[in-house]
Parts: sequence; structure tokens; C-alpha cells
Amino acid sequence: QVQLVQSGSELKKPGASVKVSCKASGYTFTSHTMTWVRQAPGQGLEWMGWINTNTGNPTYAQGFTGRFVFSLDTSVTTAYLQISSLKAEDTAVYYCARGTSRFSGPVDFWGQGTLVTVSS
Amino acid sequence: QTVVTQEPSFSVPPGGTVTLTCGLSSGSVSTNNYPAWYQQTPGQAPRTLIYSTNIRSSGVPDRFSGSILGNKAALNITGAQTDDESDYYCALNMGSGIWVFGGGTKLTVV
Repeated sequence: QVQLVQSGSELKKPGASVKVSCKASGYTFTSHTMTWVRQAPGQGLEWMGWINTNTGNPTYAQGFTGRFVFSLDTSVTTAYLQISSLKAEDTAVYYCARGTSRFSGPVDFWGQGTLVTVSS
Repeated sequence: QTVVTQEPSFSVPPGGTVTLTCGLSSGSVSTNNYPAWYQQTPGQAPRTLIYSTNIRSSGVPDRFSGSILGNKAALNITGAQTDDESDYYCALNMGSGIWVFGGGTKLTVV
């Protein structure tokens, strides 16, 4: 069965960096894109972008360029989200989600989410 | 910038039918936006209900269906159950590989 298992909660200080992992199993990793979604406390879902798991080419939504980086390690079927120069407003739950195909598209399976808290 | 619009809240009696909609602040939603619908209960990860307008995701009961209604995407829920009390988000493909979520609809079953 398809599973996306994300790394655990993180507490970081402003200005630090964080790397969230998303370990995929139960399907061919490179046959589906990986999307990242942010949800700030008490807020709705924000589509951050996606990464082509064949080419490693990322696409970022407006507002998620510069400090946000999507990457892959296909040898361990894992996707990563790195956020640098963390700010208090980056405090949120971050979800990875599998695309329905190898191209940009909707998602079908979701990770359990990773809470990133940025506080001094 | 185009905004994806949803009703902030909706109420339905148990056993009833409700239609949630997903529109654009400018323009009409069509199948070319590949509308998708997601359900989220508090403290849980979202769950995919519908994608590409009307394709049910694995394991989703046929009480949930998607369509285009006029100039909006629609999620229809029949035989509402207390378990359906959740937040519902739509997402639209805006082209160039970019997707946008709506603000979500809080559905109450009462």
C-alpha cells in the first residue's frame, strides 16, 4: 500500500534552517510527482509547489521561491523540503503528497504532516 | 491575482444532501482546471476525495461526487453522516504547473 512517512516535529530559532523528509513506499517513486503543502495554525491549505521525481525539476508557487527548496534522493525514495532563514511566520504543518501521475497534477496520497515551529 | 473561492461554511442535516462549490474570482472553472476536492478533519492530514473534476480517489464512497455546475466546480455529498463533518478544500490547476487551493468550507452536519 502507498505510504508517505514524514520526519518528526521540529523546533527552530529564527534564522535557522530545517529539512523535512518524506519517505515513500508501496509504489514506483519516479512514476509520480511529489507536492508540498503548507498549513499555518488555524489556517487553510497552501500549495507550495511540486517536484518532478524523474528529472528533479521543481516548480514553486508564488511566495515559495528563494528560501524553499525541494529535492530528492531516489535511491531511498525520499523527497525533501528545506527551508532556510526561518521566520516566525513559517510556523506551520508541512505535508508531502503524491501526484496522481508523473506530471503536474492533483494529489492522491498524503503524508501525516510535519510541524515546524519557529520561535526564539 | 485570481482567487479560488469557496463558501466559508455550510450546514446539512444527517441524511441530507449538500453541494459545495469552488469558483474563481475572475472567470469560470472548467474541466481544464482539473478540479480536485480534499477533506480534512481537525488534527488530521487531508484526504483526497475527487480529482480531475469527477474521479473518486481510492476508497472514497460514491456518496461523494464531483462535477461542473455552471461556472464553478461542485462537490456533492448525499446521505450526509456525522463523520462528514470536516473542512473541505478545492484545488484548481491554474496552468503552467501551478495549483491553488480555495479557502475551504467548514461543513457541519446537524
